[in-house]
Amino acid sequence: DIQMTQSPSSLSASVGDKVTITCRASQNIDIHLNWYHQKPGKAPSLLIYAASRLQSGVPSRFSGSGSGTDFSLTISSLQPEDFATYYCQQSYTVPRTFGPGTKVDFK
Amino acid sequence: EMQLVESGGGLVKPGGSLRLSCAASGFSFGNAWMSWVRQAPGKGPEWVGRIKSRVDGETTDYAAPVQGRFTISRDDSKKTLFLQMNSLKSDDTAVYYCARDPDEFDIWGQGTMVTVSS
Repeated sequence: DIQMTQSPSSLSASVGDKVTITCRASQNIDIHLNWYHQKPGKAPSLLIYAASRLQSGVPSRFSGSGSGTDFSLTISSLQPEDFATYYCQQSYTVPRTFGPGTKVDFK
Repeated sequence: EMQLVESGGGLVKPGGSLRLSCAASGFSFGNAWMSWVRQAPGKGPEWVGRIKSRVDGETTDYAAPVQGRFTISRDDSKKTLFLQMNSLKSDDTAVYYCARDPDEFDIWGQGTMVTVSS
């Protein structure tokens, strides 16, 4: 199975901050990497697919980059609604696997 | 509006069975690959398995922890996805989500809670 790791596991930030989360795959997954965020009691919601493609309806302050094994998600200017947990997920093969998550909370 | 609505969760004893349903609307369900994803309390999401569309053979894949115990099926005429869960264990306690799976999970249901406890 492909193992996904994320860093940091948590971070504290303020509204307006630029935030970057990294994700690493245990083997080459090309650009088959997706990002989600999740708020308590809600289902995860897709932000970025195919490493860098913005899902319809997602604000342009979210961006993704990377290929192969190393990826990143950047929020250019953190908004109050962005405080959540973020997960990466590989769709290169089955079993689909998720990273352990990065919790973004208020500084 | 594209929507998925799960049902069928509840409390079940270890060793018991449960069948979850996921009703789809607002998109071409028959052409969609679909997955089940679960999330144990306080943990991250975990993929359970998927079923391809009929035109792609309606084949299934499962995660190792559920292989042989869980079965995914679909009824395209009713736009409904199913998850049959047998020989349930306490480790299966989680919120179960269905999701459309064209490669990424782009549509999710609200989830249904399954608790396995004596």
